[in-house]
Amino acid sequence: DTAVSQTPKYLVTQMGNDKSIKCEQNLGHDTMYWYKQDSKKFLKIMFSYNNKELIINETVPNRFSPKSPDKAHLNLHINSLELGDSAVYFCASSPYMYSYNEQFFGPGTRLTVL
Amino acid sequence: TQLLEQSPQFLSIQEGENLTVYCNSSSVFSSLQWYRQEPGEGPVLLVTVVTGGEVKKLKRLTFQFGDARKDSSLHITAAQPGDTGLYLCAGDGQNFVFGPGTRLSVLP
Repeated sequence: DTAVSQTPKYLVTQMGNDKSIKCEQNLGHDTMYWYKQDSKKFLKIMFSYNNKELIINETVPNRFSPKSPDKAHLNLHINSLELGDSAVYFCASSPYMYSYNEQFFGPGTRLTVL
Repeated sequence: TQLLEQSPQFLSIQEGENLTVYCNSSSVFSSLQWYRQEPGEGPVLLVTVVTGGEVKKLKRLTFQFGDARKDSSLHITAAQPGDTGLYLCAGDGQNFVFGPGTRLSVLP
């Protein structure tokens, strides 16, 4: 069983489009995260949700809107995609808020904006 | 914003050699994690160090947290091709940050 899963694995789209990435965890964790890894492999936290509630919102354009329908799911919707949004997006989960030392990452979604 | 630096950026060695990679900051962290990431996959947590001066061993990997909790090192003994990957350190302080990584290639 995959602990943290993401769909799709690859996403290629045109500039200006709107797209969503889905994430699900079956670990029973309370906290989920979205990270962005750029072309230089720099991994940066974007959002953190604890029990469906937004806790951390780093400096991210408001074109990015996370949604957590329940604590096992955290989706990322991106409006008006730009070239600079091209990156690999990782979802992660941990048992509790700030329990980074028990974080599990998903396989990533490679987004390419043309 | 707290920052983490890693060195070297790239490292290519022969199977059987030993190596050390470093993670440094001017800031203090309450804990520091090491991850390994392989192409097309997410980072996998290797270890967390919490106490200044702490040393943890994971088979051929030895992790050390600096006394001042500002830096850490990862030493690999007798490297194998299976150790190839991107090694990331991450620090839990005022915020949670990742270093830029060290890309290790172990040649057979």
